[in-house]
Amino acid sequence: DTEVTQTPKHLVMGMTNKKSLKCEQHMGHRAMYWYKQKAKKPPELMFVYSYEKLSINESVPSRFSPECPNSSLLNLHLHALQPEDSALYLCASSPSLDRSSEQYFGPGTRLTVT
Amino acid sequence: QKEVEQNSGPLSVPEGAIASLNCTYSDRGSQSFFWYRQYSGKSPELIMFIYSNGDKEDGRFTAQLNKASQYVSLLIRDSQPSDSATYLCAVRSRYSGNTPLVFGKGTRLSVIA
Repeated sequence: DTEVTQTPKHLVMGMTNKKSLKCEQHMGHRAMYWYKQKAKKPPELMFVYSYEKLSINESVPSRFSPECPNSSLLNLHLHALQPEDSALYLCASSPSLDRSSEQYFGPGTRLTVT
Repeated sequence: QKEVEQNSGPLSVPEGAIASLNCTYSDRGSQSFFWYRQYSGKSPELIMFIYSNGDKEDGRFTAQLNKASQYVSLLIRDSQPSDSATYLCAVRSRYSGNTPLVFGKGTRLSVIA
């Protein structure tokens, strides 16, 4: 079962709201990722967790705050977002961070900031 | 700068033809190569990966890797309208540290019935 789930599927939020995106996988993967994807662009890496520790933060603004409560769950907390943050937010997981890993993506959360 | 280049397309092929998608990469230290398919509004789906020079076949898909020339390609035989999507090439370098994958911008494939 190569399934990564994400909730919610769609989210509309105002610039003063606080919301969270959730991601879950039950494949025993130890690396999890957040990506942001704008229309007609490739996914852009935001954060990587390896063994529940933040491994990579690609200079993402602090209005995005990741959290990895356990090996199966990954959250992205959102606060004071800007309209340009509207995008498809993708979660992915892989067995590990080693060079042979292949990533499996969740269905994404379509975020609109008004 | 580690780069992965793809022709953005659209690449239009008739139904039943072979679609050939190409990807070049600049980092000679690259070790693992992946093809993702992404339908409009959906998330990327891993369809092939290849690590060694040569061909790797899976059903109607064949991935080809030539490390000397630094290119990787994806062939889709007997193309179907349902294959119409954007195909993303992704590369992982031995020297990329913790950076998992570098994505190309994708090639949009249109299979005409």
